[in-house]
Amino acid sequence: NAGVTQTPKFRVLKTGQSMTLLCAQDMNHEYMYWYRQDPGMGLRLIHYSVGEGTTAKGEVPDGYNVSRLKKQNFLLGLESAAPSQTSVYFCASTIAGLGRTGEQFFGPGTRLTVL
Amino acid sequence: AQKVTQAQTEISVVEKEDVTLDCVYETRDTTYYLFWYKQPPSGELVFLIRRNSFDEQNEISGRYSWNFQKSTSSFNFTITASQVVDSAVYFCALSEVNSGGSNYKLTFGKGTLLTVNP
Repeated sequence: NAGVTQTPKFRVLKTGQSMTLLCAQDMNHEYMYWYRQDPGMGLRLIHYSVGEGTTAKGEVPDGYNVSRLKKQNFLLGLESAAPSQTSVYFCASTIAGLGRTGEQFFGPGTRLTVL
Repeated sequence: AQKVTQAQTEISVVEKEDVTLDCVYETRDTTYYLFWYKQPPSGELVFLIRRNSFDEQNEISGRYSWNFQKSTSSFNFTITASQVVDSAVYFCALSEVNSGGSNYKLTFGKGTLLTVNP
């Protein structure tokens, strides 16, 4: 099992460029999440999905879009990148259901710099 | 709204010292879960422990122990006889439970950077 993987690991963009971050999990988890981590801010939830074909906004959704066309993949898109989106992005997943542990499994992160 | 406060931004200790990381949370839910994650310098996030709101028993795992007190809304983490390898950022997190009984959204504290010096 690869767990949660993220592509790419690093990326440098110019202001206004677009890109898509890919998250994949092979644990058959229903729930998936995108977070951003900034110095001194902890992890903040951008968007999440509770199942294939569903998405919802988190704490800091502005400037991002997501899609969950397949259960195992969760894509995060930046349509017009801004320097304020320079951050480390983490994807996570967890299994749903009453009594489940709720532990979120995290990917290794993507370091994005917007110039 | 849920909130997690880790008041200690940075802590520095000398190896073999005991250290306690504080976590205070706010929630209106009666059912919730608390977590601790470790983020070593390599950057990955490592799950350490989960505790539900109905279980106030303290837990010990090797050099790690956790003290959950609902009366003070705290879930503190103690490392006994700290080691250099414990140097990391530690995050406390609080989970909401949806109508189906699933944990689904984590609210993280801002983290505490622990440095253990040799």
